[in-house]
Amino acid sequence: GENVEQHPSTLSVQEGDSAVIKCTYSDSASNYFPWYKQELGKRPQLIIDIRSNVGEKKDQRIAVTLNKTAKHFSLHITETQPEDSAVYFCAAHGDKLIFGTGTRLQVFP
Amino acid sequence: NAGVTQTPKFQVLKTGQSMTLQCAQDMNHEYMSWYRQDPGMGLRLIHYSVGAGITDQGEVPNGYNVSRSTTEDFPLRLLSAAPSQTSVYFCASRYGLSNGYTFGSGTRLTVV
Repeated sequence: GENVEQHPSTLSVQEGDSAVIKCTYSDSASNYFPWYKQELGKRPQLIIDIRSNVGEKKDQRIAVTLNKTAKHFSLHITETQPEDSAVYFCAAHGDKLIFGTGTRLQVFP
Repeated sequence: NAGVTQTPKFQVLKTGQSMTLQCAQDMNHEYMSWYRQDPGMGLRLIHYSVGAGITDQGEVPNGYNVSRSTTEDFPLRLLSAAPSQTSVYFCASRYGLSNGYTFGSGTRLTVV
């Protein structure tokens, strides 16, 4: 079955810096890759996603890249702000949606 | 639309008790899933359904049963609760294979 690995587990950046979170997946049949943000005590919220026929997608300060050959995808957050502090999850969808173990991002003012 | 509604929000069970976690969505979503979230382990898939009458196992199905008699409802049953099932449970639904899941607000379950 699908296995998703996510790194790093924690990430601390200064406000205004960029943050990058990386994920790898095992099932070459996976074709949909969403990213979720979860604030403390709340439900995961979809922030951006990418499909297998696209290499990169951008939405304001957030971008996601996908390398299908290498089976890895990444989340890039530019000009980080304190409200970006949260846990971020990547996921890969083949026949079911499997999540990575999460990255705790802390943005210091 | 209420979205995805989970009940109860909190529950304490004694070891060996059974209970059902309720999940309902009013968006006519075909796909529904149950995840459990434990510290440091992310979201792990318990069971999922691709439509009424169809269910399948996820990564950690042992100790849980599901059924999908209607499009709207996807209850999760704990047959005989164990302390290892202490967790936060999320129900989620989506429309179509390439769309993101919408999550419910979660049920925090403690088994003593």
